[in-house]
Amino acid sequence: QTVVTQEPSLTVSPGGTVTLTCASSTGAVTSASYPNWFQQKPGQAPRALIYSTNIKHSWTPARFSGSLLGGKAALTLSGVQPEDEAEYYCLVHDGRTYVFGTGTKVSVL
Amino acid sequence: EVQLVESGGGLVQPGGSLRLSCAASGFTFSTSWMTWVRQTPGKGLEWVANIDPDGSSQNYVDSLKGRFTIFRDNAKNSVYLLMNSLTVGDTAVYYCARDLIWGDLDIWGQGTMVTVSP
Repeated sequence: QTVVTQEPSLTVSPGGTVTLTCASSTGAVTSASYPNWFQQKPGQAPRALIYSTNIKHSWTPARFSGSLLGGKAALTLSGVQPEDEAEYYCLVHDGRTYVFGTGTKVSVL
Repeated sequence: EVQLVESGGGLVQPGGSLRLSCAASGFTFSTSWMTWVRQTPGKGLEWVANIDPDGSSQNYVDSLKGRFTIFRDNAKNSVYLLMNSLTVGDTAVYYCARDLIWGDLDIWGQGTMVTVSP
């Protein structure tokens, strides 16, 4: 079973920049993995942010961006706001199924 | 309004079965891939299964194959998850979501809680 690993937690100051990564146990994450990114706040359902590596939804703030970085998918938050404090999950295509990453808790302090 | 509403969760004993439902509105359900995702208490998300628009193709996470079945009724704008031989490890919030394209789960329900306990 494929395991997709993310940083357990990251801390960033308001206005700062932070990059989250998403790595697969089976090898490099590529555009063919169609990496997606989701944000989840306590007590809420996840919300889609980024799909197909770097495409934003209409509701995704401009400060969020997706990319590929050294064989991993990456989500960069630039100019972080207090409301960005949340859990972030990646989701990658794996054969005929999908696998969520382990999640990254982003704290804004 | 675009929404998904799950129902059918509750308390069930180990070895029991449960059928979850997800009712869709506000978008064209019959042309949409649908997905079930679960989240164990305090833990991460797990992709469970998906189904194509006409219900002819289903995919499952390996660990649940044979116990869980996803199916749909386009006339009722609903997707279902039948769960058999439940174990304590299946205790989770179960979400349904629309898969717009390649895992882009752009619409989510509020989730329904399933508790498996003696």
